[in-house]
Amino acid sequence: EAGVVQSPRYKIIEKKQPVAFWCNPISGHNTLYWYRQNLGQGPELLIRYENEEAVDDSQLPKDRFSAERLKGVDSTLKIQPAELGDSAVYLCASSLEGQGGTEAFFGQGTRLTVV
Amino acid sequence: QQQVKQSPQSLIVQKGGIPIINCAYENTAFDYFPWYQQFPGKGPALLIAIRPDVSEKKEGRFTISFNKSAKQFSLHIMDSQPGDSATYFCAASTPGSARQLTFGSGTQLTVLP
Repeated sequence: EAGVVQSPRYKIIEKKQPVAFWCNPISGHNTLYWYRQNLGQGPELLIRYENEEAVDDSQLPKDRFSAERLKGVDSTLKIQPAELGDSAVYLCASSLEGQGGTEAFFGQGTRLTVV
Repeated sequence: QQQVKQSPQSLIVQKGGIPIINCAYENTAFDYFPWYQQFPGKGPALLIAIRPDVSEKKEGRFTISFNKSAKQFSLHIMDSQPGDSATYFCAASTPGSARQLTFGSGTQLTVLP
């Protein structure tokens, strides 16, 4: 079974430019998460989707960040415009929520460098 | 506000040693406490998890000890191997939040051959 797939793996952009990340979760997983991991830190949740609905986006900087999950499957995370402080690894994770729940599986992440 | 505090930041042990990583939490509503292992360039992967109704859980060489009254939990790695060298994160989540995790800051473990 394929894991969570993210692309691109690496992205270098100049500040003020837009950037987008893509995530394909594990087939059948209804819950999808975007986390941001700064260097030397643990991941921090940006947004959580249950199917197509964003159920928690309280940590998403809405002035420049946006996300969508079309048809409750793939998701994209966009930053426009990017700032130097946005340099981080952006991780996507998915899980199948139901009785008892299951673990969250993470993708390899997209490493963003803003110069 | 950091809800899960992890220590130490880094740890070096000899092969065969027993590294111990500690975490403390503040939110008494947390009911699920996993540990994740992360290798460079990879996403975190679930290692072992515990719920607060038990005080210890063991899977292979990995053991979680849980102290509900102290709001602390720890990871012990028995007979550590160089291949265990990685960054370890503790985490926690609340009921009804799926696997929306609050992570600790991580411990970089190095196991010397």
